Amino acid sequence: DSGVTQTPKHLITATGQRVTLRCSPRSGDLSVYWYQQSLDQGLQFLIQYYNGEERAKGNILERFSAQQFPDLHSELNLSSLELGDSALYFCASSEAPSYGNTIYFGEGSWLTVV
Amino acid sequence: ILNVEQSPQSLHVQEGDSTNFTCSFPSSNFYALHWYRWETAKSPEALFVMTLNGDEKKKGRISATLNTKEGYSYLYIKGSQPEDSATYLCASGDDSGYALNFGKGTSLLVTP
Repeated sequence: DSGVTQTPKHLITATGQRVTLRCSPRSGDLSVYWYQQSLDQGLQFLIQYYNGEERAKGNILERFSAQQFPDLHSELNLSSLELGDSALYFCASSEAPSYGNTIYFGEGSWLTVV
Repeated sequence: ILNVEQSPQSLHVQEGDSTNFTCSFPSSNFYALHWYRWETAKSPEALFVMTLNGDEKKKGRISATLNTKEGYSYLYIKGSQPEDSATYLCASGDDSGYALNFGKGTSLLVTP
């Protein structure tokens, strides 16, 4: 158990809908990352937060947004969902946004868009 | 964005065999290299974080080396066991941002 908790574990929704994925980082970790794992793709970096502020942005679509709350949990909002958004979404956390720190992953949220 | 490549894509070995995988990454602006072990339906588990050229890390039967000048890292598994079956991911970060960029992984299957 990495200490990173993600909910829901599985989600099936229709095209055009909006979903929210939730992440609780490891105790003491200030930095949260979101990654997307699609079929035949490596883990794609979406966005990173540190202590409530956005620190880096990757290949995140405009239909997607995220935030980190004062209690350090984070939410990833996916709207106007398309079939191609079906993927495994990982949240990860680390003490600080430094590459020298180990980054711990949750078990992921499986999103299926039908 | 760093382009991280891993080879082979998949590997099938017999129990007791030793094996190794390669991770290559652009060496310019390199900052750190991470290795993860990912079993199906579980979260990727951190194995090593390496930052210095020539770094060698070991964890039980698994070890890794790093060459930042030529941009590659090797992961070695000595005496593979069926429980080593997993996908092994490497990720590299540069000094221009904060995100790790992952390779697509090497899928290892160890059969008894």
